[in-house]
Amino acid sequence: NAGVTQTPKFRVLKTGQSMTLLCAQDMNHEYMYWYRQDPGMGLRLIHYSVGEGTTAKGEVPDGYNVSRLKKQNFLLGLESAAPSQTSVYFCASQLISRENQPQHFGDGTRLSIL
Amino acid sequence: QQPVQSPQAVILREGEDAVINCSSSKALYSVHWYRQKHGEAPVFLMILLKGGEQKGHEKISASFNEKKQQSSLYLTASQLSYSGTYFCGTERANQGGKLIFGQGTELSVKP
Repeated sequence: NAGVTQTPKFRVLKTGQSMTLLCAQDMNHEYMYWYRQDPGMGLRLIHYSVGEGTTAKGEVPDGYNVSRLKKQNFLLGLESAAPSQTSVYFCASQLISRENQPQHFGDGTRLSIL
Repeated sequence: QQPVQSPQAVILREGEDAVINCSSSKALYSVHWYRQKHGEAPVFLMILLKGGEQKGHEKISASFNEKKQQSSLYLTASQLSYSGTYFCGTERANQGGKLIFGQGTELSVKP
């Protein structure tokens, strides 16, 4: 019962470096989401995907790119990391073929940009 | 537009009750409630659909007032395990499953 798996769990980057966060789900969910969580701000949607090969912008997409080449994987990329991107990143997936389904979250990636 | 949760924080003694509110300025299709413990992922509690439906989960229940676009989460006879941050996520019609989350309410239950 893996559910939603995020890698890596922790990462420290220097300003200007690039990296990719991986989210994998084994529940055959159609929808996948990337959020960032900052103190006092709740969860803010960065990008999301409604199916393989599709992506869309959320509330705070600037500075991030995403790809969903396979249904089970959703990648979040930072091309040139900035200190303002220091945050905890959560991935979630959701079954849409049935109504009123919850989002299932991964354990998060804690990212620090120095 | 981010929903507004109140209160921002609450401290309870074991056995006491609490209410957490989530208000939106937009017409909603549903409201989701999640609980997050420190350093962990948010965990789903329940979904409320428009129509004023009230649902329950152990001693935690919730309601959704469609006219006011407000949902309330009720925690009765609180236990130490209820401590954490509670988030509401609001869904508007024709948005698929996309949620906009409130800023969270931090609940601490003391012995």
